[in-house]
Amino acid sequence: DSGVTQTPKHLITATGQRVTLRCSPRSGDLSVYWYQQSLDQGLQFLIQYYNGEERAKGNILERFSAQQFPDLHSELNLSSLELGDSALYFCASSSDRDWRTEAFFGQGTRLTVV
Amino acid sequence: AQSVSQHNHHVILSEAASLELGCNYSYGGTVNLFWYVQYPGQHLQLLLKYFSGDPLVKGIKGFEAEFIKSKFSFNLRKPSVQWSDTAEYFCAVNSRNTGKLIFGQGTTLQVKP
Repeated sequence: DSGVTQTPKHLITATGQRVTLRCSPRSGDLSVYWYQQSLDQGLQFLIQYYNGEERAKGNILERFSAQQFPDLHSELNLSSLELGDSALYFCASSSDRDWRTEAFFGQGTRLTVV
Repeated sequence: AQSVSQHNHHVILSEAASLELGCNYSYGGTVNLFWYVQYPGQHLQLLLKYFSGDPLVKGIKGFEAEFIKSKFSFNLRKPSVQWSDTAEYFCAVNSRNTGKLIFGQGTTLQVKP
């Protein structure tokens, strides 16, 4: 158990819908990362938050947004869903007090868009 | 832009064979380097990491990796693989400047008993 909790584990929804994925980082970790893993694209970095502020942005679509709350949990919002958004979405956290820290991953949320 | 390239997409080995997975990154600044493993149906777990110091780092389960700065490489090795090493392996890099933790495409390792 990495200490990073993601909910829900599975999500099935229809095209055009909006969903919210939730991540609780390890206790004390300030950084949260979101990744999308699909068969054709591999593990794609979406976005990173550090202590509530957006720190780095990757290949995140405009239909996707994220935020990190004062209690440090994070949510990834996916809207106007398309079939191609079906993937495994991972959250990771790190302490980042010194930038030389590793990230710990949650179990992921498997999103299926039908 | 920061990127990571893993040369082998799919590797098939017999048990007891030696393993070397290639990883190259493109970023000129100071970096941290990682290898993660993802067993079937599980989340990514850290195998080993390089921050500074001895370029030969040892990780869990008998894995090691060597950082060669001049080649921008961080190859993963294991002298003798086991069937339980069947998994997907990801090389990753982050830097102080970008803050992004970027992963390679992954290498699927299949070990035949």
